[in-house]
Amino acid sequence: EVQLVESGGGLVQPGGSLRLSCAASGFTFSIYAMIWVRQAPGQGLEWVSGIGGSGGSTFYGDSTKGRFTISRDNSRNIVYLQINSLRAEDTAVYYCAKVLTGYYYYMEVWGKGTTVTVSS
Amino acid sequence: QSALTQPRSVSGSPGQSLTISCTGTSSDVGSSNFVSWYQQHPGKAPKLIIYDVSKRPSGVPDRFSGSKSGNTASLAISGLQGEDEADYYCCSSAGSFTLVFGGGTKLTVL
Repeated sequence: EVQLVESGGGLVQPGGSLRLSCAASGFTFSIYAMIWVRQAPGQGLEWVSGIGGSGGSTFYGDSTKGRFTISRDNSRNIVYLQINSLRAEDTAVYYCAKVLTGYYYYMEVWGKGTTVTVSS
Repeated sequence: QSALTQPRSVSGSPGQSLTISCTGTSSDVGSSNFVSWYQQHPGKAPKLIIYDVSKRPSGVPDRFSGSKSGNTASLAISGLQGEDEADYYCCSSAGSFTLVFGGGTKLTVL
């Protein structure tokens, strides 16, 4: 069974940093692109970042470029999202997702999410 | 990457049909066949229900269908059921391996 489990969220002060992790199991991790999506409280979905299977290609949304870094460790089946200079507007549930086989643009399997709260 | 435009809410009675629209621009929906739709129940992760504009993943009922015309994509739901009550999000590629979501539509089954 394909499973994605996010971790690393929590309460952090403005200006702080966090590294979110997403542990994957049940599929050949290294051949799939992975994506991070976030959802602020009571708001819609926002695409955050994507990374190719080898980790050599990374992509970011306009609002996350510069402060966010996506990476992956294919030996441990984990994808990461490093977030620096956290702002109140980064408060959200962060989901990682596995793309649909043969595609990059579709998120087929989602984790349950990890909550990031930015507040002093 | 501005969010795609969806109606904030739609409603229908059981058994009825309805359509949710998703309007973008020539830089996303209008120039892409990588359009998808997601269903999200409260407190749950989203679920992919339509991809490639009109294809359904395995297990998604054929009551759900997708289409696109110009800069506007649409999700049609026929034979509304209580379990369809959820938030629905469209999503489109926006160039250079980036994605943009719609603002979401809350579907209420009366």
